[in-house]
Amino acid sequence: EVQLLESGGGLVQPGGSLRLSCAASGFTFSSYAVNWVRQAPGKGLEWVSGISDGGGGTFYADSVKGRFTISRDNSKNTLYLQMNSLRVDDTAVYYCAKDGGATVTTSKYFDLWGRGTLVTVSP
Amino acid sequence: EIVLTQSPDFQSVTAKEKVTITCRASRSIGSSLHWYQQKPDQSPKLLIKYASQSFSGVPSRFSGSGFGTDFTLTINSLEAEDAATYYCHQSSSLPFTFGPGTKVEIK
Repeated sequence: EVQLLESGGGLVQPGGSLRLSCAASGFTFSSYAVNWVRQAPGKGLEWVSGISDGGGGTFYADSVKGRFTISRDNSKNTLYLQMNSLRVDDTAVYYCAKDGGATVTTSKYFDLWGRGTLVTVSP
Repeated sequence: EIVLTQSPDFQSVTAKEKVTITCRASRSIGSSLHWYQQKPDQSPKLLIKYASQSFSGVPSRFSGSGFGTDFTLTINSLEAEDAATYYCHQSSSLPFTFGPGTKVEIK
């Protein structure tokens, strides 16, 4: 079955860290760019970060630049998001989303989404 | 950053009616505009790619049009299962952005 499965969310205090994972199956993970998109409670979608097929191209939204790091291990078909210096406004469901293309700079569309993992940042 | 605006914010319609949602970009994005459907407590699903191309498995009542800065998602003959929030998304330039969403409710 073609799917993405996120994990690693939870409750963390402001200033803390979390590492999210996204396990891919059913397709050739190493051939596609992958992205993280988040959704705060009751709000819309916000692109957070993307990484190209080989891992060489990484890009971030200004809101997380310098605090979050995206990476991937193609041998394990897994995407990661290391989140440091977390803030209350980082509270959201974090989705991984497969791109229809290989690189972030030639992004196509997001054709496969995981079910998401909830990150709650609260004192 | 390219800002996407959607209208209306909310629409309440009866089954079998036609629904039209518009998305406007703050500058030209060619056809790099995609539409997603998100039902309550579910992840988004791709409906339309590149403004007018239906994604695999999407019912034919969903269609898209537009180019440049103005785009439209049309749902012909709305069905109860189409109750959802619809988002547009641009992949023309980083950072990728989404519209604020249009919630469609079935009367």
